[in-house]
Amino acid sequence: EAGVTQFPSHSVIEKGQTVTLRCDPISGHDNLYWYRRVMGKEIKFLLHFVKESKQDESGMPNNRFLAERTGGTYSTLKVQPAELEDSGVYFCASSSRAGRIYNEQFFGPGTRLTVL
Amino acid sequence: KNQVEQSPQSLIILEGKNCTLQCNYTVSPFSNLRWYKQDTGRGPVSLTIMTFSENTKSNGRYTATLDADTKQSSLHITASQLSDSASYICVVSEGGNNRLAFGKGNQVVVIP
Repeated sequence: EAGVTQFPSHSVIEKGQTVTLRCDPISGHDNLYWYRRVMGKEIKFLLHFVKESKQDESGMPNNRFLAERTGGTYSTLKVQPAELEDSGVYFCASSSRAGRIYNEQFFGPGTRLTVL
Repeated sequence: KNQVEQSPQSLIILEGKNCTLQCNYTVSPFSNLRWYKQDTGRGPVSLTIMTFSENTKSNGRYTATLDADTKQSSLHITASQLSDSASYICVVSEGGNNRLAFGKGNQVVVIP
């Protein structure tokens, strides 16, 4: 079974440009999460999809970030326009069903974003 | 202030030796606590998951403990191997919404 995949693995862009990150969850997983780790800090929650609906987007830092999950399969996270403080590693995770005690989330390898 | 604090931040151990990593949390209400292993360039991989009623759980050479009263957890690595070099992240799931709160991780380096 393929795990969570993310594309690209690395992205270097200039301040003001736009970048789109993609996440393909494990097949059949309804729940999809985006997280971000800024250098020197802990991983932090951005948002949670259940199928194509945004269940919780309280962690999104500002309106420069737009996440979509059309069709309830893969998801994209767009940053427009990018700022220096957006640099970090963006992780995607998926799980099969929320509400259970464990709700184990499987993480992708992350996309390392560098904004110059 | 982060709701999940880990110590030590980093440590170097000799191959074959044991080590213990600590995690203190303030997350409330509590649902479960997880330890993840993150190799360089990869995403976190779950090692153990414990609810408040579980005091200890093992996964091979990894043994996690949980004291829900003092809100402390530890991860013990037995007979370390070079492949144990990684960041070990303590993650606490908040009751109700299952939001995850992450620690910064313990960076472990195992040397021959």
